[in-house]
Amino acid sequence: GAVVSQHPSWVICKSGTSVKIECRSLDFQATTMFWYRQFPKQSLMLMATSNEGSKATYEQGVEKDKFLINHASLTLSTLTVTSAHPEDSSFYICSASLDTNQPQHFGDGTRLSIL
Amino acid sequence: KQEVTQIPAALSVPEGENLVLNCSFTDSAIYNLQWFRQDPGKGLTSLLLIQSSQREQTSGRLNASLDKSSGRSTLYIAASQPGDSATYLCAVDPGYGNKLVFGAGTILRVKS
Repeated sequence: GAVVSQHPSWVICKSGTSVKIECRSLDFQATTMFWYRQFPKQSLMLMATSNEGSKATYEQGVEKDKFLINHASLTLSTLTVTSAHPEDSSFYICSASLDTNQPQHFGDGTRLSIL
Repeated sequence: KQEVTQIPAALSVPEGENLVLNCSFTDSAIYNLQWFRQDPGKGLTSLLLIQSSQREQTSGRLNASLDKSSGRSTLYIAASQPGDSATYLCAVDPGYGNKLVFGAGTILRVKS
């Protein structure tokens, strides 16, 4: 149980393109979803927390107009990297939890490469 | 601000060896601490979760301990196998909003 699916697993695109990443909880309803970014050989850094039906809460230094997060249902959250540039290239991982104090279940991540 | 440090950054051991990975955190006011495994290019798999009131958790060949007052946790892996090769991440939950703070990880390689 507690499976989180992330799609796509890998995307390569040109600079200036907008890229959407989906995060789905397959067998449970996720009140809260989290988006992380991981640069090579570095730790996961929390970008934002999203709660179903409300606006995402962004961590300090994360541009909300650059990284659009939508959590329209209890099983789906999307992260859109708008007008992506090479410095946005990274590994993006989502997680989902049933409730605020419940364990997070992680997706397999999305490798984003901007040329 | 909570900071999590993991030592060593990388470790290479022969198969069958017992090993210890270390994690330290600066603020002892935590809700829980988790150890995760990450395979290359993949997401995270939770290995063990220790609540702040607990001192250790065990799962198979894995044992994690927690000393909250000193801000330390260790992950003990017994009889290591090549399949244990991965990056091991430690993360603490400060207790507000379930926002995990991760260490940079220990890259483990078990040689056959």
